[in-house]
Amino acid sequence: ETGVTQSPTHLIKTRGQQVTLRCSSQSGHNTVSWYQQALGQGPQFIFQYYREEENGRGNFPPRFSGLQFPNYSSELNVNALELDDSALYLCASSLDRGTYNEQFFGPGTRLTVL
Amino acid sequence: GIQVEQSPPDLILQEGANSTLRCNFSDSVNNLQWFHQNPWGQLINLFYIPSGTKQNGRLSATTVATERYSLLYISSSQTTDSGVYFCAVIRDNAGNMLTFGGGTRLMVKP
Repeated sequence: ETGVTQSPTHLIKTRGQQVTLRCSSQSGHNTVSWYQQALGQGPQFIFQYYREEENGRGNFPPRFSGLQFPNYSSELNVNALELDDSALYLCASSLDRGTYNEQFFGPGTRLTVL
Repeated sequence: GIQVEQSPPDLILQEGANSTLRCNFSDSVNNLQWFHQNPWGQLINLFYIPSGTKQNGRLSATTVATERYSLLYISSSQTTDSGVYFCAVIRDNAGNMLTFGGGTRLMVKP
């Protein structure tokens, strides 16, 4: 069974640029959630995708957007990068979208915005 | 939204010692997970435990849902237990987002 994978592992961008982060869900999982973890804090929910549709969103501006593909992999796109976007971005997959489903996390992408 | 508080925020142990980490939450939940975040940032699932008691090797967890808290027990700690421990919950009828506590930073010294 393949776990959750993310790419790239590290990324450096400058303010105003755009970035795309990628996530492959665990085998058999159809739901992907994205979280942002600032240094020294717990992860914050960005949004969730279920069967290619957004299925819930946290308190993040519209410049954070996403996609889910038919194979349930997902992308997180961030436009007009700001310095505060520097963080560890974590992707989690679950068997289904219900609240009772355990979420499993990937290794994360560390984004630095200069 | 739901509030999740973890204590203590920091903990230093000697190898072989036991410890108890606590997670308090402010509302009813139907999903509670404990994670260990290693120094490279990977969140490792320890327990899915919205209620009851579970054990896995040297680790065990108990959630008392009616009193809105969960405990993670680490026995005979090892240096590899070092890292940050997070509790995360999903509130009843509140969709599917995990809300994380601030974490407990554990250092186990040899």
